[in-house]
Amino acid sequence: SQTIHQWPATLVQPVGSPLSLECTVEGTSNPNLYWYRQAAGRGLQLLFYSVGIGQISSEVPQNLSASRPQDRQFILSSKKLLLSDSGFYLCAWTLTGPDEQYFGPGTRLTVT
Amino acid sequence: GQQVMQIPQYQHVQEGEDFTTYCNSSTTLSNIQWYKQRPGGHPVFLIQLVKSGEVKKQKRLTFQFGEAKKNSSLHITATQTTDVGTYFCAGFSGNTGKLIFGQGTTLQVKP
Repeated sequence: SQTIHQWPATLVQPVGSPLSLECTVEGTSNPNLYWYRQAAGRGLQLLFYSVGIGQISSEVPQNLSASRPQDRQFILSSKKLLLSDSGFYLCAWTLTGPDEQYFGPGTRLTVT
Repeated sequence: GQQVMQIPQYQHVQEGEDFTTYCNSSTTLSNIQWYKQRPGGHPVFLIQLVKSGEVKKQKRLTFQFGEAKKNSSLHITATQTTDVGTYFCAGFSGNTGKLIFGQGTTLQVKP
């Protein structure tokens, strides 16, 4: 069966510090991968998606970047965090675009 | 661009009452998906509707897809405290190739 992992589960970082969040998927090949951000009590904002290694599409111009160095690994990064980067970051995968998405447990990021 | 609107944003009900959330898209959808996010958790896929006018049931949950494939609803009969959470609809557009999430409806159930 397929599983999706995210780490860390929680993170507190000072403004201006770098960020690296990792997401890995097991049990499937060539998944579509997604990064979402959810502000407290709000909906899901799509940040990046990837249909293959090295292929990244950005949905919203911002202080973040994403990379996909391996088929089942998706990384979200920032060189300098802003207060507005605080939120709940969710990674998700699907086999094809129209299919249901499976979400990881998420990372709660607080920028202080 | 494509938008998916969901109402209401919040709903408080007494246990045993019914609950409905509505989802409307600005464009025709290839499919509509529904997810549930428990407090502190991550969204979990519930169901996908593909056909015009489709109705699917999962125990006390009834999902409908409109005839024009631009709107959908989720109805919960006789709510229970385990139904608490945020329900999201998400519409997939074949034109854009993107799944767009609604803002969600947060359900609170008073025992």
